[in-house]
Amino acid sequence: GIQVEQSPPDLILQEGANSTLRCNFSDSVNNLQWFHQNPWGQLINLFYIPSGTKQNGRLSATTVATERYSLLYISSSQTTDSGVYFCAVEGEYGNKLVFGAGTILRVKS
Amino acid sequence: ETGVTQTPRHLVMGMTNKKSLKCEQHLGHNAMYWYKQSAKKPLELMFVYNFKEQTENNSVPSRFSPECPNSSHLFLHLHTLQPEDSALYLCASSQDLLEQFFGPGTRLTVL
Repeated sequence: GIQVEQSPPDLILQEGANSTLRCNFSDSVNNLQWFHQNPWGQLINLFYIPSGTKQNGRLSATTVATERYSLLYISSSQTTDSGVYFCAVEGEYGNKLVFGAGTILRVKS
Repeated sequence: ETGVTQTPRHLVMGMTNKKSLKCEQHLGHNAMYWYKQSAKKPLELMFVYNFKEQTENNSVPSRFSPECPNSSHLFLHLHTLQPEDSALYLCASSQDLLEQFFGPGTRLTVL
């Protein structure tokens, strides 16, 4: 099945700093989503982005499907950005989302 | 209520108990999912229902039994669980198996 690798596994930022999280996947995809899991376990949708670029406030994402990676950019980070960021993909011939192991982000004030 | 709701939010049960988790989606979607998130492991898909029909059972033990009476409600019936089944159980829904939206989860502890 499709493989998903996220990097870095852990990231500590000072408030106000920018960061880039990466998601590599092993096959063509129909679906790619970025999520933020808050400390209470809720998975919050950030982007549905099987290809192209999207922006939402301080967050933006780019997926280069032909090169099998996606990037999540966080600018001017805030302490509320802390949590785990997951990339999840569904392969072109698959029928389920496969999640990466996540990036644990800690933003310090 | 909006989005995807789950009840209860926390559940503690003994290995001989029978309990059920409930999920309800208010998004008008036609597909619903159960996922399991154990400590230090990626989220694992358990079941998928599309138009109330189960289309995926990801080799889940029979002590977990899903039920989808309509496209808005999904249950997970639990019986004779093991301590290693303690985890966060997440429900999600989507339209046409595309973008998925998740509920807040039920944190289950099996004693």
